[in-house]
Amino acid sequence: DAGVTQSPTHLIKTRGQQVTLRCSPKSGHDTVSWYQQALGQGPQFIFQYYEEEERQRGNFPDRFSGHQFPNYSSELNVNALLLGDSALYLCASSLGQGIYEQYFGPGTRLTVT
Amino acid sequence: AQTVTQSQPEMSVQEAETVTLSCTYDTSENNYYLFWYKQPPSRQMILVIRQEAYKQQNATENRFSVNFQKAAKSFSLKISDSQLGDTAMYFCAFLKLGGSNYKLTFGKGTLLTVNP
Repeated sequence: DAGVTQSPTHLIKTRGQQVTLRCSPKSGHDTVSWYQQALGQGPQFIFQYYEEEERQRGNFPDRFSGHQFPNYSSELNVNALLLGDSALYLCASSLGQGIYEQYFGPGTRLTVT
Repeated sequence: AQTVTQSQPEMSVQEAETVTLSCTYDTSENNYYLFWYKQPPSRQMILVIRQEAYKQQNATENRFSVNFQKAAKSFSLKISDSQLGDTAMYFCAFLKLGGSNYKLTFGKGTLLTVNP
């Protein structure tokens, strides 16, 4: 049973650049959530995608956008990168109808220099 | 808005002993779930245990159990017979049920070290 996968594992970008992170949900799951985890902090909710639409959004600027594909995989895009965007980005998947348990991927470590 | 507080930034325990991690939360909601997640150095967030607010019985998963005090808004995690592999960050998380909310709200975490 394939779990949640994310790519890439690590990424280094320069301020002002754009980045795309990818996530494949656990087999059988149709909902993907994205979280940002700054060093020493708990994860913060960015947004959730269900049926290829953004279902809920946290307190993040419009520079953060996403997409969900028909196969339920998802992308997180961040434009005009800031130093403060350096963090671990976690993807979590769940079932749309039984969303109480979210299963997390290993994350993508983004460093902005 | 809901908040989750973990007041113990770090804790340590000897192998085979028992340790309890604390979590309190603030909400005006009546229907919600509470979770404990474990994040080892590998970074993968792993679900340890969950508790439905409507259930009075405390959840148990093998060596892991919770003490859920709904009136006090307290949700502590007890780890029995601690093992070296339990060394990790532990996060308490809250999920409000119903409406259009689907996000987990996390505490800042407790770093647990199990010593041999």
